[in-house]
This record gives sequence, C-alpha cells and structure tokens, in this order.
Amino acid sequence: DGGITQSPKYLFRKEGQNVTLSCEQNLNHDAMYWYRQDPGQGLRLIYYSQIVNDFQKGDIAEGYSVSREKKESFPLTVTSAQKNPTAFYLCASSIAPGAGNTIYFGEGSWLTVV
Amino acid sequence: KQEVTQIPAALSVPEGENLVLNCSFTDSAIYNLQWFRQDPGKGLTSLLLIQSSQREQTSGRLNASLDKSSGRSTLYIAASQPGDSATYLCAVGSGAQKLVFGQGTRLTINP
Repeated sequence: DGGITQSPKYLFRKEGQNVTLSCEQNLNHDAMYWYRQDPGQGLRLIYYSQIVNDFQKGDIAEGYSVSREKKESFPLTVTSAQKNPTAFYLCASSIAPGAGNTIYFGEGSWLTVV
Repeated sequence: KQEVTQIPAALSVPEGENLVLNCSFTDSAIYNLQWFRQDPGKGLTSLLLIQSSQREQTSGRLNASLDKSSGRSTLYIAASQPGDSATYLCAVGSGAQKLVFGQGTRLTINP
C-alpha cells in the first residue's frame, strides 16, 4: 500500500543527545514536510523539501536539521540545541510543491526528553 | 501574518445531530483551505480541499464552505455518528509553500 511511514513511533531522548526521526514515502511525491504538534495546538512547519537535495526552513527550524538525499526519504534530526523537543512530530508529503496540493500525513512520532 | 482560529476548542453532541465546525482566518489572500481529521495519537487525514475559487466541497456526509471575503469556513457534518469523534483541524494555504493550521476542534459524538 502507498503511504508515509514514520519511525520510531515513540522515542526518548536524554539531555544533550541528538536523535533522528525517519520518514519514508512510496507515493512518488516530490514535496515532503516536517511538522511539530504540541498538545492542544495546531501544527507548525519545521522544514520542507520541494525536490531531492533541496530543503528550506519553516517557521521553527532552530535546533532541527534535515536531509533529502533520496526522493522517498526525509529524515529529521532533533539536535541538542532544541531546548524543548518534547512533542508529536508529523511527516507529510504532496505530489508537488505548493499549498494547492492535497497533503498526506504519516502516523507521527512521539519524542520525549527524559 | 496569517492566523487561523477554530472555535469552539471542544464540542460534544448526541448521535444523529447535524453540526457545524467553524474556522476563521485573518488574511483573505489564500490559495485554498483544507479540513483534516486527527484521531488521538495519529496523523492527519485530509477530508476536503477547497480551492480559493470555489465556494464549497462535499464528500459523503461532509460539506465544507468557504467565504474568503469574510475569512470564514465551515465544516458541516450531517447525521453525526460516534465514529465521527475526533479532532478536526482546518488549514489555510497561505503563501506558496505554507499551510497555516488552526488549533482544532475536539468533537465527541455521544451514543
């Protein structure tokens, strides 16, 4: 089945550690996105990528990094510079860049700092 | 800066009722508006996408309307069912790459 796979579902990070969240899609979509959701809040854009080897900062990119070496993969690294990383992280994709296209989401990853 | 507001934050209704969820936005220069459903601890599922040139979209028991001039959208759910219980988020396509999300309305349908 086509879709977006995020892993792991639950992740615990110690203070000072970097962690990487995986996002893989088999929808053949060009555009991919990372969002952060805090409890009772809407989604905020961290990074997006319109095409392989290209990515742009969103509204809250500080403390995060990404790569887009393959069309189907867009991993997110939460670095130790992110002071409040506990949140629900959602990866998404759309067939082409642009807010006019339907966006599809993965099931999300919960990150907790311990 | 585009801001999206959804009121109320939570809504509880008996099964079978028709209901309306509201979404308002501050900047009428939008590309489109999307409604999503989110089940607890899960990702978002797109329900309806209304382009800026359209007034409404329908899918089954769902109907979404868009009034750009007043900065409002509504999601109408007919004959509500317990399975409709979820959080509903609206998002405005504002700028070439950007979706701006509301905080969501948590809907509970009581059997």
